[in-house]
Amino acid sequence: DSGVTQTPKHLITATGQRVTLRCSPRSGDLSVYWYQQSLDQGLQFLIQYYNGEERAKGNILERFSAQQFPDLHSELNLSSLELGDSALYFCASSVGVLTYNSPLHFGNGTRLTVT
Amino acid sequence: QQQVKQSPQSLIVQKGGISIINCAYENTAFDYFPWYQQFPGKGPALLIAIRPDVSEKKEGRFTISFNKSAKQFSLHIMDSQPGDSATYFCAASLQGAQKLVFGQGTRLTINP
Repeated sequence: DSGVTQTPKHLITATGQRVTLRCSPRSGDLSVYWYQQSLDQGLQFLIQYYNGEERAKGNILERFSAQQFPDLHSELNLSSLELGDSALYFCASSVGVLTYNSPLHFGNGTRLTVT
Repeated sequence: QQQVKQSPQSLIVQKGGISIINCAYENTAFDYFPWYQQFPGKGPALLIAIRPDVSEKKEGRFTISFNKSAKQFSLHIMDSQPGDSATYFCAASLQGAQKLVFGQGTRLTINP
């Protein structure tokens, strides 16, 4: 068990809807990262927060947004959902900035299915 | 330049054999190279990692070999066991870049 908690485990929704994915990082970790895993794209970095502030952005669509709260948990909001958004969404956390001594630890993901 | 290319896509090895997965990168500024192991229904778990100032790192049956001049690194699993059957991802990171760039993954099957 990595200590990173993601809810819900599964989510089924219709096109055009909005969903919120939740992540609680490991105790003591200040950085939270969101990744998307699909069959044809592998693991794609979406966004990273450090102690409440956005620090890095990857291939995140404008329909997606995220935030990290004062208690360090994070939420990923996906809106105007399309069939192609169906994927596994992973949250990861690290103690501080990503380095050899501060590696990423992943949660077990949320499987999103858009019908 | 941000890509990491991983091969093979899938690999079948007999129990007790050596599993070898290879990765190549272009960006010479990458300075952290971890390998992750992922079982079905689970998130990727850090397996072993290396920095570019060493050529090899060994942890139990798992070894990373790193060739800086060739911009390649590989994972060797000695005495492969059925419990090693999983998907393996190599990754690379730039100091301060705050993200890992992942390879496409290798599905490893160890036959008993």
